Amino acid sequence: TQLLEQSPQFLSIQEGENLTVYCNSSSVFSSLQWYRQEPGEGPVLLVTVVTGGEVKKLKRLTFQFGDARKDSSLHITAAQTGDTGLYLCAVPKPGYSTLTFGKGTMLLVSP
Amino acid sequence: GAGVSQSPRYKVAKRGQDVALRCDPISGHVSLFWYQQALGQGPEFLTYFQNEAQLDKSGLPSDRFFAERPEGSVSTLKIQRTQQEDSAVYLCASSAGGTGGLPLHFGNGTRLTVT
Repeated sequence: TQLLEQSPQFLSIQEGENLTVYCNSSSVFSSLQWYRQEPGEGPVLLVTVVTGGEVKKLKRLTFQFGDARKDSSLHITAAQTGDTGLYLCAVPKPGYSTLTFGKGTMLLVSP
Repeated sequence: GAGVSQSPRYKVAKRGQDVALRCDPISGHVSLFWYQQALGQGPEFLTYFQNEAQLDKSGLPSDRFFAERPEGSVSTLKIQRTQQEDSAVYLCASSAGGTGGLPLHFGNGTRLTVT
């Protein structure tokens, strides 16, 4: 059983469209992180959310942590080709010794 | 350097060969992590060091996998008698936190192909 379920697994859209990807679990987390990974590179941290109901904005990206701290969403407004990549959510393993990642949503934005 | 550096970037090994993958973390970072990432999947945890101490190796898939960080800086992940299922990208990450504190800073990985 996967701790974090990310959906959709793959998303292909045109530049200018809006999209939302999801990260869901049945467990409660103290915090949740979103990373973006471009081909041939390592994941890069986008945001950390820690409070239930928290909304954070990073330019055209809006991140929300669920009220019960079990799920999160990432909304992108007016997608650009530079947004192409693998979007990963991750949560701390109990004891904070490491992060557990979801399988990711692969986003392809075409011109 | 400014970021986490991994070498080699690509490694092709014949089945049964031993390989060694190197990670240079960000200077001064206490925590170091190794992850394995299959194509199109999220990273899977392998092992964690705090300085030179290996505090968690629960993710190592078999006793053919061995990691060390003898002086608390550079780390090496060694895979003995490689198998085709070992083909993946191996990512190294470091963080400043002494208890695996976040965020993680990742290198660009080593892509291992076992033929």
